[in-house]
Amino acid sequence: EAGVTQSPTHLIKTRGQQATLRCSPISGHTSVYWYQQALGLGLQFLLWYDEGEERNRGNFPPRFSGRQFPNYSSELNVNALELEDSALYLCASSPYGGRSNQPQHFGDGTRLSIL
Amino acid sequence: KNEVEQSPQNLTAQEGEFITINCSYSVGISALHWLQQHPGGGIVSLFMLSSGKKKHGRLIATINIQEKHSSLHITASHPRDSAVYICAVRVRGSQGNLIFGKGTKLSVKP
Repeated sequence: EAGVTQSPTHLIKTRGQQATLRCSPISGHTSVYWYQQALGLGLQFLLWYDEGEERNRGNFPPRFSGRQFPNYSSELNVNALELEDSALYLCASSPYGGRSNQPQHFGDGTRLSIL
Repeated sequence: KNEVEQSPQNLTAQEGEFITINCSYSVGISALHWLQQHPGGGIVSLFMLSSGKKKHGRLIATINIQEKHSSLHITASHPRDSAVYICAVRVRGSQGNLIFGKGTKLSVKP
């Protein structure tokens, strides 16, 4: 069974540009979560999608957005990039996340660097 | 104050030592996760527990719901156990997301 896959592995952008990160969940998983891990900081929750809908959002500005496609894959878009957006972005998937007993399976992340 | 606190922040051990990493949380939870992150960044889920104790190979995780505390133990530690270990909780009644501790960086020397 293939795990959670993320692309690209690395992404280099400049301030003001837009970045798109992609995530494919484990087959059969409907929930996709996005997390940010900035240097020296812990993981922080960004977004949760399930069945194509945004279910919850962390404390991030609106320039962080995303969507989930009918095949449950997901995109994270970051507009008007700022230097502090440099971080490892991790995607995780689970069967429907509304049930508390579902473990989350993580991808290897996309490392976004802003120059 | 963070809702999830881990200790110690950094831990260096000799191969073969018994290791304990602690996690305390201040909110009501429905589940607690222990995760392992290797230097490349990828995260592996080690345990998810809501009560009692779980064991997998040399790893043991315990949780005390009344005291809001969990421990991760590694027996007979090995250099390949070197990684960052992260505690994360699912807040009771929350909508899907996890809240993470800052992690414990473990280095096991041969």
